[in-house]
Parts: sequence; structure tokens; C-alpha cells
Amino acid sequence: GAGVSQSPRYKVTKRGQDVALRCDPISGHVSLYWYRQALGQGPEFLTYFNYEAQQDKSGLPNDRFSAERPEGSISTLTIQRTEQRDSAMYRCASSLGIGQGGDNSPLHFGNGTRLTVT
Amino acid sequence: AQSVAQPEDQVNVAEGNPLTVKCTYSVSGNPYLFWYVQYPNRGLQFLLKYITGDNLVKGSYGFEAEFNKSQTSFHLKKPSALVSDSALYFCAVRGGSQGNLIFGKGTKLSVKP
Repeated sequence: GAGVSQSPRYKVTKRGQDVALRCDPISGHVSLYWYRQALGQGPEFLTYFNYEAQQDKSGLPNDRFSAERPEGSISTLTIQRTEQRDSAMYRCASSLGIGQGGDNSPLHFGNGTRLTVT
Repeated sequence: AQSVAQPEDQVNVAEGNPLTVKCTYSVSGNPYLFWYVQYPNRGLQFLLKYITGDNLVKGSYGFEAEFNKSQTSFHLKKPSALVSDSALYFCAVRGGSQGNLIFGKGTKLSVKP
């Protein structure tokens, strides 16, 4: 497909379990972003990558959250020991990025993973 | 630190009337400004951006936005609203060409027939 793909679409997990959310960006996109969006709110920045390098992880709430993009394409956001407050929509986005002389290119968002921690 | 403010939680407009959705920002360096729209149960879609040049930028679906450096604003406008424009609108800013993109909390636009 031509767009950003996220899986799973929905994830229900029990408190204390680990979860891994996957993002497959648009082919050739250099930059990849992770956001968390609560209902009726704007996307909250978590972290972003240029190629395989994590450029900024200042938005990750605590050390239970981590992300990787080992080959500069697919990315995984992992949440360890999930808590109910982690329940939200997690959105991935990609953009052409620095390869275009600076990232003034728009972000293309996936449909998100709805995480529910019970 | 960069930030975005959308002062209105909701904007109500009659179909055919002009609409404005407000956005102000704070960044160090030159701002890269964006508007996105989100329809119910959908992902965010890019509408338009300001990087440099003409202060009035035109985007998708007849929307435009005006960059005002002195007021640090980037208000979204449309001359004649449609019922189908009803959605959540998000303003976003990046300080310069690098770095993360920060979103506002969103404004719900409701266009009534």
C-alpha cells in the first residue's frame, strides 16, 4: 500500500503486560514520528527518527516506553508493564525528512493503534 | 521550547459563511507551520503549510492560512464553509527545518446547513 501502515489496529491488554506497536512508513520516507492522542485532544509528541537514528525521545513519558527503527524503515514502539493510563490512540507518521534539505515536508499519518489497558 | 495555542475549543459557522480557526505559536528560530484536519475515526490529513515566502498560503479543499510574524499567528480561513468541512482541525509548528512537530489541542469546526 501507499500509506503508513500500523498494526495492530486495536490492542487490548492487561495491566502489567508488555505491548509492541508496529509502524510501516511510506517507502523512502526518512523521518518517522510516534505520537499519542487522547480522545478529543491533539497528538502528543513521543519520539522521532531520521533513518535508524533516534533524534529526539523527549516526549516519551517514562522509561517503560521505548522505540526502535533498526533498519531505517519499520519502527516498533514498546510499552513495558502497561498501566491503565497508557490507554490511548498511538499514531505513527512519516515524512520525506532531511533528505529533502530540511523537513518542511508534511507528515503522513497512519490510522493508529487503539491501546486499551484493563 | 516551542508551543502552539488554539484558543477556541469549537467554532460554529453557517454554511456559506466565511470561517476562521485561530492558531498562535511560540518557537525559537524560523517557524515551519502546518494545518491538519481529522475526520471522525480517521487519521490526520495534511491541509497546508507555511515555510517561507508569501504570507498567504493556499491548501486543500479551498482552505488558506495567513502567516503573521508580528502576531505569531497562523489562522486558517475559508471564504465559504461547507457542511462537509465539519471536523477537528490541528495547527502544528516546528522551530526550523529540524526537530519534532508540536501540535495544538485542536479546534472542532461545526458547519450547519
